[in-house]
Amino acid sequence: DVQMTQSPSSLSASVGDRVTITCRASQSVSTWLAWYQQKPGKAPKLLIYKASTLESGVPSRFSGSGYGTEFTLTISSLQPDDFATYYCQQYKNYFTWTFGQGTKVEIK
Amino acid sequence: VTLRESGPALVKPTQTLTLTCAFSGFSLGTRELSVSWVRQPPGKALEWLALLDWDDDKFYNTSLKTRLTISGDISKNQVVLTMTDVDPVDTATYYCARLHAENGFDIWGQGTMVTVSS
Repeated sequence: DVQMTQSPSSLSASVGDRVTITCRASQSVSTWLAWYQQKPGKAPKLLIYKASTLESGVPSRFSGSGYGTEFTLTISSLQPDDFATYYCQQYKNYFTWTFGQGTKVEIK
Repeated sequence: VTLRESGPALVKPTQTLTLTCAFSGFSLGTRELSVSWVRQPPGKALEWLALLDWDDDKFYNTSLKTRLTISGDISKNQVVLTMTDVDPVDTATYYCARLHAENGFDIWGQGTMVTVSS
């Protein structure tokens, strides 16, 4: 099975900061990679799919990039609403979905 | 489009857990739409469990496959997940979510918390 590893596990940042989260796959997943945001007590929210396609309604400060085994989620200017946990998810083998362990973004 | 999970809040070890996902705003028979189950133990990461696609094909997490069964009722707009022989490690919030083709899980239910304890 494909394993997904996110780094860092947590980070502290200030409003306005540029934030980058990395997700590495144990084998190539091409661009079959999604990113989700989850706030405490809430369901995850889809942000990006196919590595770099922004889901409808998601602010443009979010962007995704990468191919193969290394991917990044970037928040260009962190906003108060962005403090949350972020998960990557691979779906290379269609119908086999694996999540990363999550990255918690906290207020500095 | 909405999804809502329901099921018991407390289950005893070794029992069978049955969860229902009731959805509206789409039909499971629509090509490229599927319904999946994902769980999250308290304070831990998300774990994909199972998926039922528009063609009634079923897919399972390989590590849990022997314990899971997913089924659907198109007329009732429901998807049911059963998990046999539950253990305290199965304590988690269980979510159902819609998969739109290869575009990720775009709509999620609010989740239902299940505790496995004697």
